[in-house]
Amino acid sequence: DVKVTQSSRYLVKRTGEKVFLECVQDMDHENMFWYRQDPGLGLRLIYFSYDVKMKEKGDIPEGYSVSREKKERFSLILESASTNQTSMYLCASSFQGHYGYTFGSGTRLTVV
Amino acid sequence: QKEVEQNSGPLSVPEGAIASLNCTYSDRGSQSFFWYRQYSGKSPELIMSIYSNGDKEDGRFTAQLNKASQYVSLLIRDSQPSDSATYLCAVRGTSGSRLTFGEGTQLTVNP
Repeated sequence: DVKVTQSSRYLVKRTGEKVFLECVQDMDHENMFWYRQDPGLGLRLIYFSYDVKMKEKGDIPEGYSVSREKKERFSLILESASTNQTSMYLCASSFQGHYGYTFGSGTRLTVV
Repeated sequence: QKEVEQNSGPLSVPEGAIASLNCTYSDRGSQSFFWYRQYSGKSPELIMSIYSNGDKEDGRFTAQLNKASQYVSLLIRDSQPSDSATYLCAVRGTSGSRLTFGEGTQLTVNP
């Protein structure tokens, strides 16, 4: 069974902390994505990557960075966590071309 | 205008009825269209993809695409309480592999 695995289901962090969210896929997908999902705002794209060491800004990249050192792993980094980054974070991956995404189970991050 | 718009919910149907979920998109060059189901507190799950005009059926689900009208829909026949979820429409436009999602329509199927 194909999988996208997010390292944590729930996280609580303090304001100002550096936060790492990890995502690993075992499907040899080229594309990987990070979204956040908030009530009333839907899914918003933070960053995505088409290949190892490549990254592209999405719609809301401010306050975030990413790392993709290996094809299967895509990390989201909150440089200095703030309360407005409290959200559900969803990682997804796909093959190049006209394919849908497979999502991970999500990480619910609370910044206090 | 939003890039992908879904009919506002919530939508409530009785068990056994047909649920109809609608979506319009603004990028006329879009080629790939997807429906995701998301249960409360869970991540989205791909249930249908459609690429050509017309209907595509998979069990109780039928996706319909009309590129001229920039419209895609999902019909759920014989709706079950287990179909109660938020349904997300997603469109791949002309700008690469990223999908643009609608805000979702919450469906409740009443026993």
